[in-house]
Amino acid sequence: NAGVTQTPKFRVLKTGQSMTLLCAQDMNHEYMYWYRQDPGMGLRLIHYSVGEGTTAKGEVPDGYNVSRLKKQNFLLGLESAAPSQTSVYFCASTRTGVYYGYTFGSGTRLTVV
Amino acid sequence: GENVEQHPSTLSVQEGDSAVIKCTYSDSASNYFPWYKQELGKRPQLIIDIRSNVGEKKDQRIAVTLNKTAKHFSLHITETQPEDSAVYFCAAISYGGATNKLIFGTGTLLAVQP
Repeated sequence: NAGVTQTPKFRVLKTGQSMTLLCAQDMNHEYMYWYRQDPGMGLRLIHYSVGEGTTAKGEVPDGYNVSRLKKQNFLLGLESAAPSQTSVYFCASTRTGVYYGYTFGSGTRLTVV
Repeated sequence: GENVEQHPSTLSVQEGDSAVIKCTYSDSASNYFPWYKQELGKRPQLIIDIRSNVGEKKDQRIAVTLNKTAKHFSLHITETQPEDSAVYFCAAISYGGATNKLIFGTGTLLAVQP
């Protein structure tokens, strides 16, 4: 049982390049989320999904796209990276039903130069 | 939507002293309030949580209090130790809703001086 796995862990991009961050969970969780973490700003929600095939915008969705074709995977895409997207990205998942905390991935540190 | 404010942004205490971090939330529908601890370079880890039908919860040296009327909740750490040094985040969520979105405060950097 790996929990939530994020790949890659580190990446350096040039401005204008594209990339996809992968989040995979093996807990059969319905809900999945992508956050970005910047100094002094906490964790801000980018996009989220409440089930396979569904996605929705969070607080800071501009410049990102997501897809959830399979229940266990949630992909975050940057079509044309900008220096403002330099951040640490965390994926998280949770389930429906009773109160249950989030399970976080280990994070992806992305630098856009 | 929900907005969570957290204070202070930095907190320095002497080992053995107590530390208090305060948060306020805006959405009266929020019903679950977790606290996360994040050590440098690591993922956030849940340390304690409280539901809206409870006023206080303790777990050894940490406790959380909730005032639903005032929409604020606080984390209390007693007898602080150097290993308590980390960034702490409060969060609020309306669990059982359509989205289960967790909204975080901006974090408090706690430094425990030996």
